[in-house]
Amino acid sequence: QQPVQSPQAVILREGEDAVINCSSSKALYSVHWYRQKHGEAPVFLMILLKGGEQKGHEKISASFNEKKQQSSLYLTASQLSYSGTYFCGTVPYGGSQGNLIFGKGTKLSVKP
Amino acid sequence: NAGVMQNPRHLVRRRGQEARLRCSPMKGHSHVYWYRQLPEEGLKFMVYLQKENIIDESGMPKERFSAEFPKEGPSILRIQQVVRGDSAAYFCASSPRRELRYEQYFGPGTRLTVT
Repeated sequence: QQPVQSPQAVILREGEDAVINCSSSKALYSVHWYRQKHGEAPVFLMILLKGGEQKGHEKISASFNEKKQQSSLYLTASQLSYSGTYFCGTVPYGGSQGNLIFGKGTKLSVKP
Repeated sequence: NAGVMQNPRHLVRRRGQEARLRCSPMKGHSHVYWYRQLPEEGLKFMVYLQKENIIDESGMPKERFSAEFPKEGPSILRIQQVVRGDSAAYFCASSPRRELRYEQYFGPGTRLTVT
């Protein structure tokens, strides 16, 4: 029931846009997005909840298609600081509300 | 407001020794989660605790691993008789509420190396 993230890796030039996808085989209650830089802790970016509620950073946008059990993270006008590995964490319906099920991550590299 | 604190940041143990990892949640947070991360892998849930209670330990190996979150003091993840396969980064996270409408804040992690 681990969500599948795509692409696995992406390289951008500063200013370019990227979309990272997260797909689950189970109906989802919510999707959480985190960014992790090498050797550091994951940093919270956004939560998307069933029904359309969102909480997160102003400069990052995301969508949650409940019917398709998919979420996408949109990174626009990328900056060097966006580099890192992006993880989605899912909360399936019927699952424990105590834990997130994380995908394997999407490695984003932004070049000058 | 201090973030989630973990110590030690790096821990080296020989096979067969015990490892104790500590996690102090953010102020005002009473929910603690432990995750394990292998190189180039995502985070794998291990256990979810509230003060003095284990709520969900479905991700914990049945043997050698235990966790607690006492009324006073940090949460402890304990690994007895460590083996090489236990080498990983262990992260704890905390949140202010049980429901996963609320984000989890992660600590800097403890990198365990078993020699």
